Amino acid sequence: SAVISQKPSRDICQRGTSLTIQCQVDSQVTMMFWYRQQPGQSLTLIATANQGSEATYESGFVIDKFPISRPNLTFSTLTVSNMSPEDSSIYLCSVLPLDSGKTDTQYFGPGTRLTVL
Amino acid sequence: LAKTTQPISMDSYEGQEVNITCSHNNIATNDYITWYQQFPSQGPRFIIQGYKTKVTNEVASLFIPADRKSSTLSLPRVSLSDTAVYYCLVGDLLGGSYIPTFGRGTSLIVHP
Repeated sequence: SAVISQKPSRDICQRGTSLTIQCQVDSQVTMMFWYRQQPGQSLTLIATANQGSEATYESGFVIDKFPISRPNLTFSTLTVSNMSPEDSSIYLCSVLPLDSGKTDTQYFGPGTRLTVL
Repeated sequence: LAKTTQPISMDSYEGQEVNITCSHNNIATNDYITWYQQFPSQGPRFIIQGYKTKVTNEVASLFIPADRKSSTLSLPRVSLSDTAVYYCLVGDLLGGSYIPTFGRGTSLIVHP
């Protein structure tokens, strides 16, 4: 298993500013993912955070808007840049433990609730 | 990518067995089927995973027919605390670039 913490848990930001969300895991993991979940909706994968290399972004998400870092096997950040009200959402990180093998047993953080005014 | 289809919502009563079916017609040979549970204001939580036939753990059972084009999550004797959204995912973690894709999920409401 893995315990994931996210900071901040919530924030209210002004449009045009940027917010960096941190994801910390209590053990080394293989894969780390960042998702967005809008109220009442399902989760949408933003990107896979790769350790030591550029993140892999899904369709509709670009590095300039959502830069991601993953300096080691237990930590990652997601920045939401030049925010607009449309970016208001819950942002979740998830991880796959090293011993997950070929099974998708993702562990999720508690999420960061972002409101952009 | 294997796309999944689930009922949008289901209602049940305490003590009943609930079965939620997920369709994944274009599941690939190496894909596994995984179910997650999400409560409001929390991240999803892993429930169960399987490849074929039947899998059971302390929380649920997962039934997968031979053609693997669908799967059924079975929750025995639900309680109010089982009210949540349930998602099924299919994918091959070791098949190169893995892209976990959540469908719309099934909102289960358990009534007293």
